[in-house]
Amino acid sequence: QVQLVQSGAEVKKPGASVKVSCKASDYSFPSYGFSWVRQAPGQGLEWMGWINIYSANTKYTQKFQDRISMTADTSTGTVYMELRSLTSDDTAVYYCATGGSVLYDAFHIWGQGTDVVVSS
Amino acid sequence: QSALTQPRSVSGSPGQSVTISCTGSSTDIGAYNYVSWYQQHPGKTPKLLIFDVTKRPSGVPDRFSGSKSGTTASLTISGLQAEDEADYHCCSYAGTWVFGGGTRLTVL
Repeated sequence: QVQLVQSGAEVKKPGASVKVSCKASDYSFPSYGFSWVRQAPGQGLEWMGWINIYSANTKYTQKFQDRISMTADTSTGTVYMELRSLTSDDTAVYYCATGGSVLYDAFHIWGQGTDVVVSS
Repeated sequence: QSALTQPRSVSGSPGQSVTISCTGSSTDIGAYNYVSWYQQHPGKTPKLLIFDVTKRPSGVPDRFSGSKSGTTASLTISGLQAEDEADYHCCSYAGTWVFGGGTRLTVL
């Protein structure tokens, strides 16, 4: 089964940006839509946004609209999530997830998660 | 978009059934048949249990079932087993996706 492999843990200072990557182990996997979901320590899951890897169409939740970017590299089957103007509230595990090609497809496959710590 | 409402915790004994509720609104659960449930053991990645309200991915036991009535979705786990002890998250499409706060299931 295809796996999503994410980049490693990050430590950032307040005000900085972080860019997390997510690569499908089998790029022939017929799923073009990828979501990013985060989980702060001891908290629930929070959906951040979605990208279609081929059309580059994106959909962001309003909370992050002004400081998030999702991009994709179709040559390598990798998607990226960049979050800017970080604060301590952005300390969380960030997951990529996929399950289909449209926004309303559920998250069948998840990456292993990337720890992002924001601390001065 | 407000988060969906789940009980903070539920519990049950081995062999029993438990139901976890997920309350939303007319703009999420009440509007779409795209409700999913995820199981997450401590320190682990979430795992899809139920999608499109009632469907189970391949490999998920039929002890897990989903339903929806109006603006409330439910996950029922029958024949509780020790390994079912985990956090359970509901999620609904609403033009974007919205999650519940998660429910901790304790198997007594």
